[in-house]
Amino acid sequence: DGGITQSPKYLFRKEGQNVTLSCEQNLNHDAMYWYRQDPGQGLRLIYYSQIVNDFQKGDIAEGYSVSREKKESFPLTVTSAQKNPTAFYLCASSSRRPNTEAFFGQGTRLTVV
Amino acid sequence: AQRVTQPEKLLSVFKGAPVELKCNYSYSGSPELFWYVQYSRQRLQLLLRHISRESIKGFTADLNKGETSFHLKKPFAQEEDSAMYYCALSATAAGSARQLTFGSGTQLTVLP
Repeated sequence: DGGITQSPKYLFRKEGQNVTLSCEQNLNHDAMYWYRQDPGQGLRLIYYSQIVNDFQKGDIAEGYSVSREKKESFPLTVTSAQKNPTAFYLCASSSRRPNTEAFFGQGTRLTVV
Repeated sequence: AQRVTQPEKLLSVFKGAPVELKCNYSYSGSPELFWYVQYSRQRLQLLLRHISRESIKGFTADLNKGETSFHLKKPFAQEEDSAMYYCALSATAAGSARQLTFGSGTQLTVLP
């Protein structure tokens, strides 16, 4: 079953803890993206990667970190430095060819308790 | 820098009425533009892209480079069109990393 999978669906974190969100795709896509979705603010880009072992900061990278050691995987770590981490996080992947569709995961809802 | 603006957070129309969701963009290069839709409890998915010039579920969108707009239109709205709609722009400059930027979204409600 091809697609992009995010896990877990729901995640609870205590203040001061780092937490890692998983994103895996078997679509053979080079490009992967992490977005944060807040009510009224749409999707804001956190980090993106066009190729293995390379990634760039998006618009709201502070307090987040990523790695891209494998083509299929692009985990996002929400660090304790992120001041307002409670949000819905979406991962996406796409081909690097122009005008191609991005495919999205189901999302992870992170709640800091 | 690239930017996408959707001025309407909420839009309500009656069934059978025309609907237009506005999208304006800011980008110095040649834009790749998309509309994505998120139905309740479903994944965000592509609705249409400007390069295809196609009509999907009765929706069309025309790129107007002079006005830097990519408005989404449908002549007769249906209740099943109720969803969140996002306009998106992707960079096309040679050698640059492909960055996909979204607007803030418009929640469309089609009333019976």
